[in-house]
Amino acid sequence: KQEVTQIPAALSVPEGENLVLNCSFTDSAIYNLQWFRQDPGKGLTSLLLIQSSQREQTSGRLNASLDKSSGRSTLYIAASQPGDSATYLCALLNAGNNRKLIWGLGTSLAVNP
Amino acid sequence: DAMVIQNPRYQVTQFGKPVTLSCSQTLNHNVMYWYQQKSSQAPKLLFHYYDKDFNNEADTPDNFQSRRPNTSFCFLDIRSPGLGDAAMYLCATSRVLRDDEKLFFGSGTQLSVL
Repeated sequence: KQEVTQIPAALSVPEGENLVLNCSFTDSAIYNLQWFRQDPGKGLTSLLLIQSSQREQTSGRLNASLDKSSGRSTLYIAASQPGDSATYLCALLNAGNNRKLIWGLGTSLAVNP
Repeated sequence: DAMVIQNPRYQVTQFGKPVTLSCSQTLNHNVMYWYQQKSSQAPKLLFHYYDKDFNNEADTPDNFQSRRPNTSFCFLDIRSPGLGDAAMYLCATSRVLRDDEKLFFGSGTQLSVL
């Protein structure tokens, strides 16, 4: 059974730091992995989607990598800003007929001015 | 220019009183999803529509129903809300069911049950 883990559960950094959020999974047979951002009490915003055949995706200050063999994905945030404060969730689509996303519990990020 | 719109933003209902949450989209996407998210938990898929085809998750309680009268609108009906149904309900869409398709979420409806 696929399990998705995000460590740490919470992270606090000073403004300007580069940081890495981690997502690990137990079954490498996936179609894709997505990173989402969720602000308190709000919906989710899709940040980056990496397909199974890809190694990384970039958007602005964000870079997401995927290593299926080790069951890991990382979200790199460069030059963090207070506006980056939010919860970041990873979710992956398992191979097979069931198209249900498997979610991590998220990392709550606080970027302090 | 919100693309997935959920109304209302906050909904308060009484124990056992039916409630309907609504979702509309301007993206003309084929797939619409309903998720339930409780505090500090990951979103849980309740069901999804691919066009008019309804796909219920095996562990979704019978208390939860959905309707999709047209491409743009999808409703979540909770027939007899219990205290355990208090949660954030998220609607999402995707163009098709394909591996490179992102999900687009609405802002959610926070449901309270008194």
